[in-house]
Parts: sequence; C-alpha cells; structure tokens
Amino acid sequence: NAGVTQTPKFRILKIGQSMTLQCAQDMNHNYMYWYRQDPGMGLKLIYYSVGAGITDKGEVPNGYNVSRSTTEDFPLRLELAAPSQTSVYFCAARGQGTYLNTEAFFGQGTRLTVV
Amino acid sequence: QKEVEQNSGPLSVPEGAIASLNCTYSDRVSQSFFWYRQYSGKSPELIMSIYSNGDKEDGRFTAQLNKASQYVSLLIRDSQPSDSATYLCAVKGSSASKIIFGSGTRLSIRP
Repeated sequence: NAGVTQTPKFRILKIGQSMTLQCAQDMNHNYMYWYRQDPGMGLKLIYYSVGAGITDKGEVPNGYNVSRSTTEDFPLRLELAAPSQTSVYFCAARGQGTYLNTEAFFGQGTRLTVV
Repeated sequence: QKEVEQNSGPLSVPEGAIASLNCTYSDRVSQSFFWYRQYSGKSPELIMSIYSNGDKEDGRFTAQLNKASQYVSLLIRDSQPSDSATYLCAVKGSSASKIIFGSGTRLSIRP
C-alpha cells in the first residue's frame, strides 16, 4: 500500500519562483492536511480539506494556496517563494471513521530550500 | 497562548527507566489526543491515541488524559535507546477537522 505519496522529495527554489508540491493518497480518506516543520520545531498546519472541493486555512496559510478537486489529490502551491518558506512540508490524510480518534497518516515529506 | 504546548527538552533518561512526556492544550472542548514519534529526517508515526479521561496502555506505552486539567501525558516504561526521538503531541479540537501539533519534546535515552 502506498498510503500518502509526496513529490518531489527535495527541491531548491530561487526567490520569487513558484512551484506545486504534490500529495496523493490511495486510502479514500476524506480529510487531508498540509503541515510545515521548521528545524527543531513541531508541525504547523498550513491548510486542510474535509473533502473534494472544500478547503480551509490552518495556522500559517500566508504565501500558500491549495485545491482539492478529487478525494485523492491535495496539491500545495507556492506562488512567490521566499526564504521564510524554507522548511520540510508534510502531507497527511485521515479517515472520518466511526470513532473520534482516527489516525492521520503522513507522507515522506518534501524538503524545500529557497535561496 | 499556544493551542498545544510541550516542553521542548531535551529530556535525558537512563536506559530501563520511565520517560514521562507532558502536553497541555487550550481548547477545552478538544475531542481526541495523539502522540506521534518522529525520528530525525523521518515522518511522524502514531504511537498512541486517547479520547477518554484516564489511562490507556499499549505495551511499554501509557497515555494519560485529564480533560479537566487540559493535560495529556505519555509514559514510556523500560526505555530503550531506540526510543530516542522527538515526541509530538497532537490535538483534534472542537472543529473536528483540524489537528494541531505541539512543538515536540526531544527524548534521549542514555545507555
């Protein structure tokens, strides 16, 4: 089972460039999340989605955009890359389930450096 | 006030001892609580989840939840060097959609 797949694994961007971080899941989960993790820090929620066509801002949405046209895919767009966006980005997916404590499954992460 | 707070550590514990990790949260109506383990350069992986007051045990791990005090903890018994990692506390709040993480506690098990 692939679970949650993120591409690319590594990327170097120049200031002002744009890129899309891809995230795909094959678990048919409704909920998907994008987090960023700065060195030595925890995960900060950027955006999340409760299903196809529905997205909402998290804790640190500025400088990012998302879309959710299908259940499987949840791409994260950086329009004008800035050095402050240098981080490791994690995508996660979670099922709705019948219990409150459903687990979030994480992708392998994308390490982004903006120079 | 941060939504989820953890002591960043590092917490150093001798091998074989009990490691105690703590987390507090601000949303009083939070529903579910999770402990993730993250090795350096890797993705977080779920260790324990808990949603009722009290203790929940799974092998060497025990999660404790006190909703009145807005406090959740993780105990690791018989600590092993392989337990050395960063432990992230996560909370699913009243929105039932967002999962918010703390900043993590770095745990080091010394032989």
